Amino acid sequence: GENVEQHPSTLSVQEGDSAVIKCTYSDSASNYFPWYKQELGKRPQLIIDIRSNVGEKKDQRIAVTLNKTAKHFSLHITETQPEDSAVYFCAASLEGASKIIFGSGTRLSIRP
Amino acid sequence: DAGITQSPRYKITETGRQVTLMCHQTWSHSYMFWYRQDLGHGLRLIYYSAAADITDKGEVPDGYVVSRSKTENFPLTLESATRSQTSVYFCASSDRGGANEQFFGPGTRLTVL
Repeated sequence: GENVEQHPSTLSVQEGDSAVIKCTYSDSASNYFPWYKQELGKRPQLIIDIRSNVGEKKDQRIAVTLNKTAKHFSLHITETQPEDSAVYFCAASLEGASKIIFGSGTRLSIRP
Repeated sequence: DAGITQSPRYKITETGRQVTLMCHQTWSHSYMFWYRQDLGHGLRLIYYSAAADITDKGEVPDGYVVSRSKTENFPLTLESATRSQTSVYFCASSDRGGANEQFFGPGTRLTVL
């Protein structure tokens, strides 16, 4: 079955700098890759997703890139702000599949 | 998201007791999921359901039972709680399974003494 590895587990960056979180997946058939953000004490919420027919997707300060050959995808946050502090989860699934597999999460802290 | 709710939000129980966590969604989503969240393990799938009366095991199903008699409800039962089941439990729903956005409930923090 699918396995998703995420790193780093913790990341601290200066406010205004960029942050990058990376994930690798094992099942080459996977074609849907979402990212969820979980603020402290809150529920996870989808912030961006990408499907395998595109290599990059942007939404304001966040972007996700996908390399299907290498089976890895990354979340990029530019101009980080205090409200970006949270745990971020990557995940992988296959169109038509019933479930999704999550990575173990990255705790991002933004230093003032 | 008022569309998916969980109850109770907090629960303390003792080893060996039966506990049921409730999940209710108002979107008529076909798929519902139960995850547990533990430090260092992220979100691990316990059970999921593709429709009423259809359930299947996830990564960590041992010690848990689910049912889905109605589309909107997906209760999770711990038949005989153990300390290792102390965790935060999230219910989620989706209208198209794995390759679509999942909407999470607010979570239930369960402590087993």
